[in-house]
Amino acid sequence: RKEVEQDPGPFNVPEGATVAFNCTYSNSASQSFFWYRQDCRKEPKLLMSVYSSGNEDGRFTAQLNRASQYISLLIRDSKLSDSATYLCVVNHNYGQNFVFGPGTRLSVLP
Amino acid sequence: SQTIHQWPATLVQPVGSPLSLECTVEGTSNPNLYWYRQAAGRGLQLLFYSVGIGQISSEVPQNLSASRPQDRQFILSSKKLLLSDSGFYLCACREDPTNEKLFFGSGTQLSVL
Repeated sequence: RKEVEQDPGPFNVPEGATVAFNCTYSNSASQSFFWYRQDCRKEPKLLMSVYSSGNEDGRFTAQLNRASQYISLLIRDSKLSDSATYLCVVNHNYGQNFVFGPGTRLSVLP
Repeated sequence: SQTIHQWPATLVQPVGSPLSLECTVEGTSNPNLYWYRQAAGRGLQLLFYSVGIGQISSEVPQNLSASRPQDRQFILSSKKLLLSDSGFYLCACREDPTNEKLFFGSGTQLSVL
């Protein structure tokens, strides 16, 4: 089983839609969680950290469920510019190895 | 905030040729530096990380090596490239061990033919 798993998609949604991605991780010692966004042929960029209590940044909401070992990202009111690949990232014991999931591709259609 | 310079943006090399990719960082001191590789359609794989000058840790055995000759310089090398070395190589920086956020350079797309 891979350490971090994501549905590769693609998720094709119309503008204005709400879309949610899930990510599961296998290492129960994982301590830190993040969502990154990667545009085609570009570097990943940090979208948001994921906190135990859940957190929101504008149209984006991240949730963590430690018991079930999954993380979610909710995007409300999708924009065309949200089209990208969303990477789930997990860090074990605040160490050096940030484990990246394979990413979920989102296409927001006009 | 830090800036990460990575070059070249694209590189085409024949099998068996050497490789040297350079990454330099500005705007921070004594950062943790990383080399990742992303194969087509796959997740990022950590290759090497460094917590200081001359300190290199390898995550995956392979024909690549890394060096950190200066505080803000991280180099990825190979003596003889393999076809399987093709991929998108990304240098990343973490300002200090208490800051868990990774920032990436713009990457090098390497094609080994």
